[in-house]
Amino acid sequence: QSALTQPASVSGSPGQSIAISCTGTSSDVGGYNYVSWYQQHPGRAPKLMIYDVSNRPSGVSDRFSGSKSGNTASLTISGLQAEDEADYYCSSYTSSSTRVFGGGTKLTVL
Amino acid sequence: QVQLVESGGGVVQPGRSLRLSCAASGFTFKKYAMHWVRQAPGKGLQWVAVMSYDGSNQYYADSVKGRFTISRDNSKNTLYLQMNSLRPEDTAVYYCAREAVGAVYFDYWGQGTLVTVSS
Repeated sequence: QSALTQPASVSGSPGQSIAISCTGTSSDVGGYNYVSWYQQHPGRAPKLMIYDVSNRPSGVSDRFSGSKSGNTASLTISGLQAEDEADYYCSSYTSSSTRVFGGGTKLTVL
Repeated sequence: QVQLVESGGGVVQPGRSLRLSCAASGFTFKKYAMHWVRQAPGKGLQWVAVMSYDGSNQYYADSVKGRFTISRDNSKNTLYLQMNSLRPEDTAVYYCAREAVGAVYFDYWGQGTLVTVSS
């Protein structure tokens, strides 16, 4: 049950696009289309942003998109805004019927 | 509206036990699998355990297996986490989270309850 691998930090200027990667194995990310992404502001509970690799829940901006290739999933945020500054976590279903999170990525909007 | 309210956190000595509760409202609790997820201070999210909608299946992270027990009372719309043999590394905010029906993602989260394991 090793954590999925995410970059510790990413940054971008307002209006730019950034991508956050999430690398696992064939037993989690690569084996299922069950990757989800969560946004967490300081002191707040996580919020679902993307589910099943690339689906957006109602109410989430279409600036957020997800994709997957092999054992690596990605979250892309386009048109960066100040309010996007937060921590982002990926999560995957695993072959053991458990769940696993990534280590988290701190997004800084410059 | 969906609400998940955790309680039961506090300061506990290493080796002791604690039971967390998560009171659910605003949805049909018995239809949903429920999870516990924790976050150590300044650290990332760590999945802890899941229980199926009817309580027939449960799975645990290796780090808590044999020490923690997840349970639920569908008549009380409440999820529990019994934590035994607590260790300092169990110090964290514990969140309960709802799993969307027929899916494997967390669509609603509580605000969390802080557990501190310290002598």
